[in-house]
Amino acid sequence: DGGITQSPKYLFRKEGQNVTLSCEQNLNHDAMYWYRQDPGQGLRLIYYSQIVNDFQKGDIAEGYSVSREKKESFPLTVTSAQKNPTAFYLCASSRTGTGSYNEQFFGPGTRLTVL
Amino acid sequence: QKEVEQNSGPLSVPEGAIASLNCTYSDRGSQSFFWYRQYSGKSPELIMSIYSNGDKEDGRFTAQLNKASQYVSLLIRDSQPSDSATYLCAVGGSQGNLIFGKGTKLSVKP
Repeated sequence: DGGITQSPKYLFRKEGQNVTLSCEQNLNHDAMYWYRQDPGQGLRLIYYSQIVNDFQKGDIAEGYSVSREKKESFPLTVTSAQKNPTAFYLCASSRTGTGSYNEQFFGPGTRLTVL
Repeated sequence: QKEVEQNSGPLSVPEGAIASLNCTYSDRGSQSFFWYRQYSGKSPELIMSIYSNGDKEDGRFTAQLNKASQYVSLLIRDSQPSDSATYLCAVGGSQGNLIFGKGTKLSVKP
C-alpha cells in the first residue's frame, strides 16, 4: 500500500521542549514538504526538500528544523524557539520537486498542542 | 507576496444542486492549479488539477481555468451531503511548492 505516514497523530509538548514529528513515504517521490495549518487558515510552508540531503526554508521556517538523510523520510523538529507551535502539521510529497506540474499528496497530519 | 484568494463561506447549497467555488491568484506566471478537499480534522485530499485554460471534468467535478483573468473555479454537480467540507485552492509556485488559499467551507443540505 503506497502512501504517506505521519506519527504521532497527537503530540503534547511542554514549554521549552523540542519535539520531532515523523514523516515517511513509500511512493518513491523525490520531493517532500512540511506545512502548518492554523484554525481558519490556509496551509503555510515550513520547509521543503527537492532531493535527498538538500532542503530549503519556506515562509515560516523560524523555530523549526528538518533533515533529509533518506529519500523516504523527512522529519520535522519543532524547537523551543518556536513561540506558538500549537497547530496541525501536514507532510506532503510530490513526484518531483522542480517544475510546475507537481501534484502534492498529504499524510494524515500530526496535531501538536503546547501545554 | 504571491497570494491566492478564496471566499471563506460558508457556501450552503441544497442536495442535488451545483456548487460553485471560486479562486483568484496574483502571480500571472503561475502554470499549475489544484483543488483539495479537506474534511474537518483531516488532511487535504487532491481532487482536481488543471494546467491549461478551459474546463477539465472528472465525474461530478469540473475545474475551470482562465489565466487571463487569473481565475480558477470548481463546480460540483449533483451535490451530496458527503461533499460538505472545506475546499482549498492551491497554485504552483516557481520552486515546486504550492501556495494555498484559506479555503471555502461548503455545506450541502439534505
